[in-house]
Amino acid sequence: EAGVTQFPSHSVIEKGQTVTLRCDPISGHDNLYWYRRVMGKEIKFLLHFVKESKQDESGMPNNRFLAERTGGTYSTLKVQPAELEDSGVYFCASSPWTGGATDTQYFGPGTRLTVL
Amino acid sequence: SQQGEEDPQALSIQEGENATMNCSYKTSINNLQWYRQNSGRGLVHLILIRSNEREKHSGRLRVTLDTSKKSSSLLITASRAADTASYFCATVRGNNAGNMLTFGGGTRLMVKP
Repeated sequence: EAGVTQFPSHSVIEKGQTVTLRCDPISGHDNLYWYRRVMGKEIKFLLHFVKESKQDESGMPNNRFLAERTGGTYSTLKVQPAELEDSGVYFCASSPWTGGATDTQYFGPGTRLTVL
Repeated sequence: SQQGEEDPQALSIQEGENATMNCSYKTSINNLQWYRQNSGRGLVHLILIRSNEREKHSGRLRVTLDTSKKSSSLLITASRAADTASYFCATVRGNNAGNMLTFGGGTRLMVKP
């Protein structure tokens, strides 16, 4: 069974440009999460999809970030326009929908974003 | 300060020794989980302990949870060079606050052969 995959693995862009990150969850997993770790800080929650619906987007830093999950399969996270402080590693995770807080979240390898 | 803070930030030991990492948190929790991250890789789930549990074992891993002190520890026994990684604790809050994980800063473990 394929794990969570993320694309690209690395992205280097200039301030003001747009970047779109993609996450493919494990097939059949209804829950999809985005997290990020900026330099020197903790890994922080961004948002949570259940199928195509945003269940919780309380961690999204500002309106420059837009996440979508059309069709309830893969998800994209767009940053527009990117700022220097957006640099970091963006992780995606998925879990099956059992409705429980004890569901294991399976993480992808992350996308390392560098904004110059 | 943050929910889920690990202590120490870095730990260097010899192969065969035990490694103990601690985690503290601030809010009520449903469960606490430990993850490992090898360099350049994603986070791998190691073990989950529920708020009503005090100790859990999985292979060479032993996790304890003290909800009165809002702290947890991860013990890796008979460490191996392959255990070299960063270890993170993460909590899931109670009171139906959603399933999002709240991570600590992590402990970088180096096991020398």
